[in-house]
Amino acid sequence: DAKTTQPPSMDCAEGRAANLPCNHSTISGNEYVYWYRQIHSQGPQYIIHGLKNNETNEMASLIITEDRKSSTLILPHATLRDTAVYYCIVRGNAGNNRKLIWGLGTSLAVNP
Amino acid sequence: DAGVIQSPRHEVTEMGQEVTLRCKPISGHNSLFWYRQTMMRGLELLIYFNNNVPIDDSGMPEDRFSAKMPNASFSTLKIQPSEPRDSAVYFCASSLLPDDSGNTIYFGEGSWLTVV
Repeated sequence: DAKTTQPPSMDCAEGRAANLPCNHSTISGNEYVYWYRQIHSQGPQYIIHGLKNNETNEMASLIITEDRKSSTLILPHATLRDTAVYYCIVRGNAGNNRKLIWGLGTSLAVNP
Repeated sequence: DAGVIQSPRHEVTEMGQEVTLRCKPISGHNSLFWYRQTMMRGLELLIYFNNNVPIDDSGMPEDRFSAKMPNASFSTLKIQPSEPRDSAVYFCASSLLPDDSGNTIYFGEGSWLTVV
């Protein structure tokens, strides 16, 4: 079973920041938080991941709470091309914990 | 890099026929994953290989499904005989493990299978 819970859908205005929340209250100390997205008819695309500290790359920022029980993916200036399903996943780095267990994700609609 | 390459991109076959899906992982990656995606069940891990060896096949639905990885650059997922409920998008993905730093998994564009 997926170890994360996300809202099923969200809307965002084009050019505004999209903040996608994720709860992972049962995360263990060696598990990373990963974010992927899937644009219609395409394979999932890696966005960002983190362990404890906040992370930023050219696509997004990841804010992880101090207790690591939740996180937020931030798309700073959403565009229409960011419309996709966003998956938050926790994943370990040893044995079967390396598997990505997918939930249902958040369907983000960026509106003009 | 060409990314993970899957073939065929689309296949329509009749019930009872054998289906073979192919995957070429990213060069240098040592782990390969097969996923299935349907509207009802979302993304499900079927099997994954590390250094060409199957590590976990607990997600393979039944004996009709089999997967092989004869070398580091090629894998197949076979369904024999196929059934209409096997209709789905099948994704192959690869990664470099071990990944103490949390290496990412890269996905192909998927093989869209329809069994009629």
